[in-house]
Amino acid sequence: QSVLTQPPSASGTPGQRVTISCSGSSSNIGRDNVNWYQQLPETAPKLLIYSNNQRPSGVPDRFSGSKSGTSASLAISGLQSEDEADYYCSAWDGSLNGWVFGGGTKLTVL
Amino acid sequence: QVQLQQSGPGLVKPSQTLSLTCAISGDSVSSNSATWNWIRQSPSRGLEWLGRTYYRSKWYNGYAVSVKSRITINPDTSKNQFSLQLNSVTPEDTAVYYCARGPGTLNYWGQGTLVTVSS
Repeated sequence: QSVLTQPPSASGTPGQRVTISCSGSSSNIGRDNVNWYQQLPETAPKLLIYSNNQRPSGVPDRFSGSKSGTSASLAISGLQSEDEADYYCSAWDGSLNGWVFGGGTKLTVL
Repeated sequence: QVQLQQSGPGLVKPSQTLSLTCAISGDSVSSNSATWNWIRQSPSRGLEWLGRTYYRSKWYNGYAVSVKSRITINPDTSKNQFSLQLNSVTPEDTAVYYCARGPGTLNYWGQGTLVTVSS
């Protein structure tokens, strides 16, 4: 249903590295930058990665992003319990002329 | 530091108009480099961008196709805020509504307003 496709869930143990994928098309990820948002329960999404691989001030370097063609991924290394949240990818869609989002990936820290 | 403060009713009756306001501090609604967006989130539809307003020597608007016939986003320069109006709402419009600043990224978000459409 969402324009961008993410796995609904991911999990890892503390200290592990996890990756979350995001698949789109030539009208969104294929032509524009990808942003990632972290959403903790009952809060607004927070910008985590912008322009494919840039971290806003204050975001730990454990979080990294990459993009290739019409897909992108978010990697979290040194997993911590506080990383348990929902993660969303997003990009501008030139055909729809609007922001599109992935369906979100719920990350569980075991 | 940019802050966005949302206000508006949390309950709207079917067929009526949903109205929300987003007050801006730390930036200007008339900024030539920002865009002012509304996004909603529901379990059934996920995160859904609704539209935006922005100023580039004149005012522009852009709306999502899914709501284009029912939505209006207006700036209010006197109060440094912008508003959302969604007409003819149905229970499908029940969601948490967010305002956010762009462009390039949605780097500042309001706190969210749960709007329930119910009689």
